[in-house]
Amino acid sequence: DIQMTQSPSTLSASVGDRVTITCRASQSISSWLAWYQQKPGKAPKLLIYDASSLESGVPSRFRGSGSGTEFTLTISSLQPDDFATYYCQHYYSYSWTFGQGTKVEIK
Amino acid sequence: QVQLVESGGGVVQPGRSLRLSCAASGFSFSSYGMHWVRQAPDKGLEWVAVIWYDGSNKYYADSVKGRFTISRDNSMNTLYLQMNSLRAEDTAVYYCARDRGIAAGDAFDVWGQGTMVTVSS
Repeated sequence: DIQMTQSPSTLSASVGDRVTITCRASQSISSWLAWYQQKPGKAPKLLIYDASSLESGVPSRFRGSGSGTEFTLTISSLQPDDFATYYCQHYYSYSWTFGQGTKVEIK
Repeated sequence: QVQLVESGGGVVQPGRSLRLSCAASGFSFSSYGMHWVRQAPDKGLEWVAVIWYDGSNKYYADSVKGRFTISRDNSMNTLYLQMNSLRAEDTAVYYCARDRGIAAGDAFDVWGQGTMVTVSS
């Protein structure tokens, strides 16, 4: 099974900061990677698919990059609505695994 | 609007069964693969099962294989998860989610609000 490892687990930042979250796959998954945002008590929301494609309606401050085994989610200027937990997920070869999550907290 | 609504959660004793439903509306349900994803209290997301748009293929996480069965009724726009031999570790919020593709090999672009399943004696 492909394992997904996110870092950091928790990130403290301020409004306006540039934030980067990393996700590493245990083997190459090409660009079959998505990023989700989840707020407490709510369902996850798709932000990025195919590693770098922005889902419709998602603000352009969210950017995904990477391929193979290393991926990043960057928020260019953190907004109050962005404090949440972020998950990466691979969907390679008809299997799906999520990373353990990165909680973005207010500094 | 595009919507998924789960139901059927509750409190159940270990070893018993429960069936979850997910009602879809606002899109052509029969054109999409569908998934179940769960989240234990204060834990991360765990993929559970997938079914192709026409029900022809199904895959399961190892943690539920042989105990859970995913199915769908395209005439009723409804997805199901039959959960048998439930264990305490199955306690979680269960979400249904739409795959972006027909053959269910893509990201999940629409999610339900979730239904809570608690396995406890």
